[in-house]
Amino acid sequence: EAGVAQSPRYKIIEKRQSVAFWCNPISGHATLYWYQQILGQGPKLLIQFQNNGVVDDSQLPKDRFSAERLKGVDSTLKIQPAKLEDSAVYLCASSLDATGAGTLHFGNGTRLTVT
Amino acid sequence: TQLLEQSPQFLSIQEGENLTVYCNSSSVFSSLQWYRQEPGEGPVLLVTVVTGGEVKKLKRLTFQFGDARKDSSLHITAAQPGDTGLYLCAGGHNNDMRFGAGTRLTVKP
Repeated sequence: EAGVAQSPRYKIIEKRQSVAFWCNPISGHATLYWYQQILGQGPKLLIQFQNNGVVDDSQLPKDRFSAERLKGVDSTLKIQPAKLEDSAVYLCASSLDATGAGTLHFGNGTRLTVT
Repeated sequence: TQLLEQSPQFLSIQEGENLTVYCNSSSVFSSLQWYRQEPGEGPVLLVTVVTGGEVKKLKRLTFQFGDARKDSSLHITAAQPGDTGLYLCAGGHNNDMRFGAGTRLTVKP
């Protein structure tokens, strides 16, 4: 089966600019996650979708970050305006299981550098 | 504050040595997973443990879930350079997975 697809692979922007990341999960996976992984740290959950509804966005900085999952398939994550501390790898993952015990299938991430 | 504390943060050993890395929390988890992440890639699942006291073996890797389901360990026997990577534990928490900061393992030939 095709894996989780993410684009772009790399992005360099200046602070205060906007950026968007795209994720296409594995076909049939109802649950989609966005994680932020800062260098040297583990992935931090930003938002979790079940189909096109938000399950958990408690750690999403909502003043600058937004995410949507239209039609319960693809998802986009947007940052507007970006700050230096947003430099990180943004990982998208999908799972067939919504109970928290299922396998998370990750994409290769988008590496964002904010200068 | 990390929900899951992993130790050691870094580990550098010679090929053929054994090692153990740890994942600890004050919280009880419904399940715990171990992932391995290589540079430029996303984490890949190694194992899921769900029962307190459970032990799972995957070739040279042995995973143990604590009796109270708050901690876990990963033991690697006769490490090889191909085992090099970032080892992450993740706990099932309110229907989502929260990750530790990881142990970065380097196995030198």
